[in-house]
Amino acid sequence: GAGVSQSPRYKVAKRGQDVALRCDPISGHVSLFWYQQALGQGPEFLTYFQNEAQLDKSGLPSDRFFAERPEGSVSTLKIQRTQQEDSAVYLCASSSSLRPDTDTQYFGPGTRLTVL
Amino acid sequence: GQQVMQIPQYQHVQEGEDFTTYCNSSTTLSNIQWYKQRPGGHPVFLIQLVKSGEVKKQKRLTFQFGEAKKNSSLHITATQTTDVGTYFCAGARGAQKLVFGQGTRLTINP
Repeated sequence: GAGVSQSPRYKVAKRGQDVALRCDPISGHVSLFWYQQALGQGPEFLTYFQNEAQLDKSGLPSDRFFAERPEGSVSTLKIQRTQQEDSAVYLCASSSSLRPDTDTQYFGPGTRLTVL
Repeated sequence: GQQVMQIPQYQHVQEGEDFTTYCNSSTTLSNIQWYKQRPGGHPVFLIQLVKSGEVKKQKRLTFQFGEAKKNSSLHITATQTTDVGTYFCAGARGAQKLVFGQGTRLTINP
């Protein structure tokens, strides 16, 4: 595709449910990021993949959050036993660079998660 | 940990007025990026600054990186309604991840 796509665009979950959010990066992009954006705030780093390797997961807020990118393309962010504080927009970004902090990151439209 | 602060949080201007947002880091940055997020949209890359004291221009937008590489600014001359959105700076310390500021939300009265 032409850009980063994410699905679903909106997700409503009851507290305690598990959710899975999908990211399709731009074809060929080796670097993939997940961010969490709370209302009125900037994106906050969650985790980073270089191809299939998860090089940094220091931003994951708890062990309820898990991300994978098994074949180095599509990535899934899973949140177990969702809590109300997990409500946010989850953004995926990809980059063609092995040094994505020095190159353009292309963001997807995000998944808005609401936990009731 | 590394923090990136932006001011102001909100700015409302009349169309045609200038606008400036400022970004300050608690640590020296290897580079800084600026993004724009339209209401309901996602962040879109605007520019990257790498060198100490660097100034870059994009039409009515002027970006500066401080001499100490700890601060940056974005200035828009003669705002237009298409400039509406939230402007984020994002700093890097060479650790592959970006730290975003909380953004400056710009609204414009036509």
